Amino acid sequence: EVQLLESGGGLVQPGGSLRLSCAASGFRFSSHAMTWVRQAPGKGLEWVSGISSSDGSIHYADSVKGRFTISRDSSKNTLYLQLDSLRVEDTAVYYCAKCPGYQYYYMDAWGKGTTVTVSS
Amino acid sequence: DIVLTQSPATLSLSPGERATLSCRASQSVSNSLAWYQQKPGQAPRLLIYDASNRATGIPPRFSGSGFGTDFTLTISSLEPEDFAVYYCQQRSSWPLLTFGGGTKVEIK
Repeated sequence: EVQLLESGGGLVQPGGSLRLSCAASGFRFSSHAMTWVRQAPGKGLEWVSGISSSDGSIHYADSVKGRFTISRDSSKNTLYLQLDSLRVEDTAVYYCAKCPGYQYYYMDAWGKGTTVTVSS
Repeated sequence: DIVLTQSPATLSLSPGERATLSCRASQSVSNSLAWYQQKPGQAPRLLIYDASNRATGIPPRFSGSGFGTDFTLTISSLEPEDFAVYYCQQRSSWPLLTFGGGTKVEIK
């Protein structure tokens, strides 16, 4: 059974940093692209970042480019998202999601999410 | 950027009725569109990919259709567990992905 477990969320002041982790199990982590998707309170879904498994290529939404960094450690079956220079508008539930193949096109399994609150 | 517009925002129906949800793209996305279901307090779940392919374990009452700019998710006969919010998502503009704003299917 595929399992994705996010951690690392919390309350942080504007300008602060957090590191989110996503522990994966139940599938060959190194063979699948992974993404982060967020959802602000009462709002819809927003794709944040994706990392391919074929060539390790990385991409970000314009709203987080230059502030967030995605990475993966296949030896630990873990996906990360480093959040720097946080803004109030980054407040959201952050979901880690698995993609069916080497590229991140669609998301076929999701974690339960971790909540990030940016507030002074 | 490709914008996905979902309609209606809210659909009020009774169990057993047919639900028809729309997703319109600001430019052609070919068949590169997926649908997700999200229940309150839960993560989204993939229902349909590439416009019309059901994901693993999705019951046949869910079907997707469309190509280009106009897409439809149909639930042939609503079950109590189908009342939720539904999102479309396109991958045509990869490496950037976008979601629609969602349609809430509520009990009438």
